Amino acid sequence: KAGVTQTPRYLIKTRGQQVTLSCSPISGHRSVSWYQQTPGQGLQFLFEYFSETQRNKGNFPGRFSGRQFSNSRSEMNVSTLELGDSALYLCASSLWTSGQETQYFGPGTRLLVL
Amino acid sequence: GNSVTQMEGPVTLSEEAFLTINCTYTATGYPSLFWYVQYPGEGLQLLLKATKADDKGSNKGFEATYRKETTSFHLEKGSVQVSDSAVYFCALSDKDFGNEKLTFGTGTRLTIIP
Repeated sequence: KAGVTQTPRYLIKTRGQQVTLSCSPISGHRSVSWYQQTPGQGLQFLFEYFSETQRNKGNFPGRFSGRQFSNSRSEMNVSTLELGDSALYLCASSLWTSGQETQYFGPGTRLLVL
Repeated sequence: GNSVTQMEGPVTLSEEAFLTINCTYTATGYPSLFWYVQYPGEGLQLLLKATKADDKGSNKGFEATYRKETTSFHLEKGSVQVSDSAVYFCALSDKDFGNEKLTFGTGTRLTIIP
């Protein structure tokens, strides 16, 4: 079974621009979560989508948004980019089974803001 | 709120040495516990997990036991190899449906020298 895929893998943007990242979950998985990884803050939870609804949200400003489509694919958008948004953005998908969820991660999108 | 405290790195060991990476957690209820590994330039890979007290997760020679009395989930391996060089993350998630976000430790960088 194919794993979680993320596109693009690398991205360079300038301050003030916006960016959209894409994530395709493992087939059959309905939950998609996004995390930001930076050297200073480590791994931080952004948000989670389940059946096209945002179910959980971390402590990030409103510039960070996301959505999920009917096929469970998800996108996240960052508007008005700041230098501090440079990070590895990781997507994870999961299948809820018996209350013991395991999240499987994609390779990430590395975003550099100049 | 939930938190994970992980052994500070970096850790450098010789090949075939015994490895322990400490992890303790703070959580309400009885979370699921995970170890993820990140190789250079890649996303996170699930290494092992445990979902209830006294469970032992194991994979690729790595083991960790869910200790409720000490709120710990230490990672161990009897004989490390150069290929084990990576960053290791301890994480927990609540089991409540709709709140399965992962809370991560800061990561421990492990380097194995031949």
